[in-house]
Amino acid sequence: GQQLNQSPQSMFIQEGEDVSMNCTSSSIFNTWLWYKQDPGEGPVLLIALYKAGELTSNGRLTAQFGITRKDSFLNISASIPSDVGIYFCAGQLGVPNTGNQFYFGTGTSLTVIP
Amino acid sequence: KAGVTQTPRYLIKTRGQQVTLSCSPISGHRSVSWYQQTPGQGLQFLFEYFSETQRNKGNFPGRFSGRQFSNSRSEMNVSTLELGDSALYLCASSFPGRMNTEAFFGQGTRLTVV
Repeated sequence: GQQLNQSPQSMFIQEGEDVSMNCTSSSIFNTWLWYKQDPGEGPVLLIALYKAGELTSNGRLTAQFGITRKDSFLNISASIPSDVGIYFCAGQLGVPNTGNQFYFGTGTSLTVIP
Repeated sequence: KAGVTQTPRYLIKTRGQQVTLSCSPISGHRSVSWYQQTPGQGLQFLFEYFSETQRNKGNFPGRFSGRQFSNSRSEMNVSTLELGDSALYLCASSFPGRMNTEAFFGQGTRLTVV
């Protein structure tokens, strides 16, 4: 299947710092999604991206759909303790009639130190 | 509107038994996908159902099966359970047929095989 490389694998930052993480793929995707997962819970959708070059914000979160359509970036500004969790990227090939299968990155574990 | 509902939340089974997990998608969503999440393997795609038909399938053995009902609710079944089947099983629902869409997850079912 498709492989999504997500980095970094983990981050330890001070409260108030900005965070950046990214995802790269060997294939071209038509949709990029970013999720946050708390322990024992299902992933929660943060941001959806549909066009190459698109930059979308959701509060302190900003994500971009890479121009090559093979990568995406997520930035979190002014981190707070509740940002702690695992962040996943997900991509969809978007080939017509192939269904809604998403491919997931390996996750970035974020720890915010108060 | 109500989110994706998965039942049960927790399950403990013995090796060799079988188990059935249930997922009720968001109203109007007719695509349901299942994922297995383990610490070592991340989120692995099991299968996707749309209009009561399996549309995509991941690389899992035949012990893993699923179905979808006319009301879009879905079940997945694992037969002859193995210790390695212990995982968080996540269901995601999405609007069908669009190339650019979003997947929304339930809280998951934590399966422990002993």
